[in-house]
Amino acid sequence: GAVVSQHPSRVICKSGTSVKIECRSLDFQATTMFWYRQFPKQSLMLMATSNEGSKATYEQGVEKDKFLINHASLTLSTLTVTSAHPEDSSFYICSATGTSGSDNEQFFGPGTRLTVL
Amino acid sequence: GQQLNQSPQSMFIQEGEDVSMNCTSSSIFNTWLWYKQDPGEGPVLLIALYKAGELTSNGRLTAQFGITRKDSFLNISASIPSDVGIYFCAAKPGGSNYKLTFGKGTLLTVNP
Repeated sequence: GAVVSQHPSRVICKSGTSVKIECRSLDFQATTMFWYRQFPKQSLMLMATSNEGSKATYEQGVEKDKFLINHASLTLSTLTVTSAHPEDSSFYICSATGTSGSDNEQFFGPGTRLTVL
Repeated sequence: GQQLNQSPQSMFIQEGEDVSMNCTSSSIFNTWLWYKQDPGEGPVLLIALYKAGELTSNGRLTAQFGITRKDSFLNISASIPSDVGIYFCAAKPGGSNYKLTFGKGTLLTVNP
């Protein structure tokens, strides 16, 4: 149980375009989802926290108008990178917490590799 | 902000050797976690620690939650080639604060 999927697993796009990444909890209801960004050989950096049905809370230094997060249901959150630029190329990982696991355990998705040309 | 100091940054060991890595912080945390990340994948939870002083094992892995609540270590015994990967410590304050803070990771290489 407690499986989190992400789609797509990798995406390549041109500079200036927008990219949407989906994060789904497959067998539990995710009341809270987290979006992380990981640059090569770096740790995971939390970008934002989203609760179902409410606006996301962004970490300091993360532009909310550039990284749009929608947590429209208890099983789906989306991250849209708007007007992507090469410096946005990174590994984006979501996690979810909710009705599975213990002590608000976060279950991580497999990540999405974004490359902006 | 809160930071976790994880060491060592990388380790090169022979198959069969034991490994130890640790994380320290200047802040108190109520939950410590250890994850393993393979290339191109998300992190996978190895061990979760919820009480100060707790010592928990998961197969060849053993982790302890420091008594001061500011540190934790992970030991891997009798390493095997599939132990290769990046190991991250993570911690959270607890209560209604779900946010995880991650260490910078330890890259483990196991030579067969």
